[in-house]
Amino acid sequence: QITVKESGPTLVKPTQTLTLTCTFSEVSVSTSGVSVGWIRQPPGKALEWLAVIYWDDDKRYSPSLKTRVTITKDASENQVVLRLTNMDPVDTATYYCALGSSAVRGWGVFDIWGQGTMVTVSS
Amino acid sequence: SSELTQDPAVSVALGQTVRITCQGDSLRSDYATWYQQKPGQAPVLVFYGKNNRPSGIPDRFSGSSSGNTASLTITGAQAEDEADYYCNSRDTNSNHLFGGGTKLTVL
Repeated sequence: QITVKESGPTLVKPTQTLTLTCTFSEVSVSTSGVSVGWIRQPPGKALEWLAVIYWDDDKRYSPSLKTRVTITKDASENQVVLRLTNMDPVDTATYYCALGSSAVRGWGVFDIWGQGTMVTVSS
Repeated sequence: SSELTQDPAVSVALGQTVRITCQGDSLRSDYATWYQQKPGQAPVLVFYGKNNRPSGIPDRFSGSSSGNTASLTITGAQAEDEADYYCNSRDTNSNHLFGGGTKLTVL
């Protein structure tokens, strides 16, 4: 059974850089057709897409966050890392990592989600 | 525009049919994907593409699309369907978009 798990700090200070790691079991992020996305959700608000990386290392970023966000893939560790610079209290949210498995290849969907990790930005 | 618009809230009587809609220019060129999110839980994929339902999703969930509008229909809504529903699609640059979500109440 494929699982997805996010890890990282629960509290960051304003202006700091957030680094979140997504690890996977029973799937390789380098398998053809696989994609991994990061989505966040401020408390009581809607989902917001941040970035996606594909098995072939193609990447897309949210236009509104493009100058602050970076997504990378470590095939050897089977991890995907999200970095978000210059954190602000408005970035307080639950951050989800989501996998688009090869079963949904080409559809642009995320069929397996992590449980999410809550990140609070406060001094 | 690069937005997806959803009604904030919809209600349905138990056992009746409800349609949740999503509007946006990106839907003219990309199918909508629908996610269900219950309180305190991660989103779950319930429908995607022209006619694709993941394993384990009841067949009372179906999708349709016309022009710039996509719909998720629940035929015979159950109490456990009460949740937030989000539509998602990609724009012409392959960037993902999420709608603002629709809170479904089953009466």
